[in-house]
Amino acid sequence: QVQLQESGPGLVKPSETLSLTCTVSDDPNSDHYWSWIRQSPGKGLEWIAYGQHNGNKYDSPSLRSRVTISLDRTKNQLSLRLRSVTPADTAVYFCVRGSGHYTRVGFDLWGPGILVTVSS
Amino acid sequence: QSVLTQPPSVSGAPGQTITISCTGSSSNIGADYGVQWYQQVPGSAPKLLIYSNINRPSGVPDRFSGSKSGTSASLAITGLQAEDEADYYCQSYDNRLSGSYVFGLGTKVTVL
Repeated sequence: QVQLQESGPGLVKPSETLSLTCTVSDDPNSDHYWSWIRQSPGKGLEWIAYGQHNGNKYDSPSLRSRVTISLDRTKNQLSLRLRSVTPADTAVYFCVRGSGHYTRVGFDLWGPGILVTVSS
Repeated sequence: QSVLTQPPSVSGAPGQTITISCTGSSSNIGADYGVQWYQQVPGSAPKLLIYSNINRPSGVPDRFSGSKSGTSASLAITGLQAEDEADYYCQSYDNRLSGSYVFGLGTKVTVL
């Protein structure tokens, strides 16, 4: 059974880069949307970006200038880099699998999440 | 504030039926994009309950049902049980600013 597990530092200083990884087990021919979604008390759930095994990537317009997502097919690893973080980026970050047509994607498999705090 | 509006809280007695609304606009629900619903128990990750407006993933009880009309969607829980006490979120696709997946702020369901 596919399981997801996020990893990375739990504390990041303001203005630095948040880096997270998640190991995904998947058929390399699948068209799943491997996503990062975060949850903070003030803003609820927020979709950040997705990557697909076919090389497609897409990120949220509101975070696009600071986000890089990558999916390493050889390592089955999904990565997130969020630059120039501020305390507003403090959240639980989830690694998530999305399925379906891109306008009807349902996020059907979630990792347990990792709390990342931005503080000096 | 979110592009999808949900009531902050809904409550009901065991066995009752409750409904959670999710109001969007012409750039998301009204554009015939799918609506998904998630259940989140405190301390856990969200769980997909409904996808593409009305469909239940395998293992989700048929007490949970989804519907959609115009720019709004609803999640109904019939035969409310104590274990249904959780936060519920709606989600859709929004075509503004080249597109994004959007969530409501969530509804806290309390079983009285």
